[in-house]
Amino acid sequence: GAVVSQHPSWVICKSGTSVKIECRSLDFQATTMFWYRQFPKQSLMLMATSNEGSKATYEQGVEKDKFLINHASLTLSTLTVTSAHPEDSSFYICSARDYLAGVYTGELFFGEGSRLTVL
Amino acid sequence: AQSVSQHNHHVILSEAASLELGCNYSYGGTVNLFWYVQYPGQHLQLLLKYFSGDPLVKGIKGFEAEFIKSKFSFNLRKPSVQWSDTAEYFCAVNPPGDDKIIFGKGTRLHILP
Repeated sequence: GAVVSQHPSWVICKSGTSVKIECRSLDFQATTMFWYRQFPKQSLMLMATSNEGSKATYEQGVEKDKFLINHASLTLSTLTVTSAHPEDSSFYICSARDYLAGVYTGELFFGEGSRLTVL
Repeated sequence: AQSVSQHNHHVILSEAASLELGCNYSYGGTVNLFWYVQYPGQHLQLLLKYFSGDPLVKGIKGFEAEFIKSKFSFNLRKPSVQWSDTAEYFCAVNPPGDDKIIFGKGTRLHILP
């Protein structure tokens, strides 16, 4: 199956600093990637839809100036948490669809997730 | 608000017991439905999906799910669970005319050996 890789797997930073998380599709091209946030013992909350070559679409309640998303190529999307605070500590997961030969299979492939801890 | 609901937050079963996890959604129209599983320490992976056709869908590892349109439900089942089925299970919906996938809150399944 298609592989999505995230980096870093975990990161600890000081309050007020910015952190960048990368999401790569390793063996397929992803015109659309999705960023989710998972709180402990809770579901995945969709933060934004990342579109290659255009602005991301943010879900209601997600601060686009705090969570900057860039999808500069068909295999890479980045999430930058700017001026991070302890409440931003969470597990961030990216996912992408693999359009096999132009056919939408519907399946989302997920990265391993990135655990952010803000001190 | 439109949503995906999973009724069981935590389920504990003994090996060989039968499993049914409930999932309901509140979106109208034609939806695509999924069940994902997250084993301890691993990333999410697809168990099964329903787009159209036979409402009884078979997935990997002996799981199946039944789409009942009138009940807006897509319950996950397995006749006989194994200890290795211990994981968190997420129901997800791709709403009509939308590109995104919305997840339920998940059900944590614990199988006793």
